[in-house]
Amino acid sequence: QSALTQPPSASGSPGQSVTISCTGTSSDVGGYNYVSWYQQHPGKAPKLMIYEVSKRPSGVPDRFSGSKSGNTASLTVSGLQAEDEADYHCSSYAGSNNPVVFGGGTKLTVL
Amino acid sequence: EVQLVESGGGLVKPGGSLRLSCVVSGFTLSEAWMSWVRQAPGKGLEWVGRIKSKNDGGTTDFAAPAEGRFTISRDDPKNTLYLQMDSLKTEDTAVYYCAHYGDAEYFLHWGQGTLVPVSS
Repeated sequence: QSALTQPPSASGSPGQSVTISCTGTSSDVGGYNYVSWYQQHPGKAPKLMIYEVSKRPSGVPDRFSGSKSGNTASLTVSGLQAEDEADYHCSSYAGSNNPVVFGGGTKLTVL
Repeated sequence: EVQLVESGGGLVKPGGSLRLSCVVSGFTLSEAWMSWVRQAPGKGLEWVGRIKSKNDGGTTDFAAPAEGRFTISRDDPKNTLYLQMDSLKTEDTAVYYCAHYGDAEYFLHWGQGTLVPVSS
């Protein structure tokens, strides 16, 4: 059982927007602005999409955005494209004793 | 260009040991914080442990399932990170990734992963 809770699946049609949630506690998501999101295509390594809640690394399209409210972080993908179909994993810093926690992952389907 | 290349995976029996390697290029390993992250078949990502940079003491931290059984070390002249896994259990079966921290608590670069099946 993962420390952070994500919906197992999400879907949207091309051009639409979809939001994926990531719920933790005040000891992780709610306590630090260190939420990150990773995209993973089948058989591939994860790729950083969002860090520190809402920052995008160089090269990540601005269709990807992140936010946080209380103990829940969210990843929004706007203007869905076929290549966005992948698994998305959230992660949070959770303190010095257990620094990294992940969610169970969300499979995003582009209809 | 940053690259991380893992190797050393393979079938191992319960109770056995295995050492994974991760050769890095494009940055200075001694200055980097590095982690190992694993993914069981069909499951989400799970943090295994990390090693801090030399400047930050080079100390290691582990998730509870790995504590006492796994060791992380590095050979800076060889640009190689290691994960020594002892007393392996069937539940350790996973693809193991090495990951390079960015300038805060996130993983900027990942290797392609190496599969470790633990089975009799």
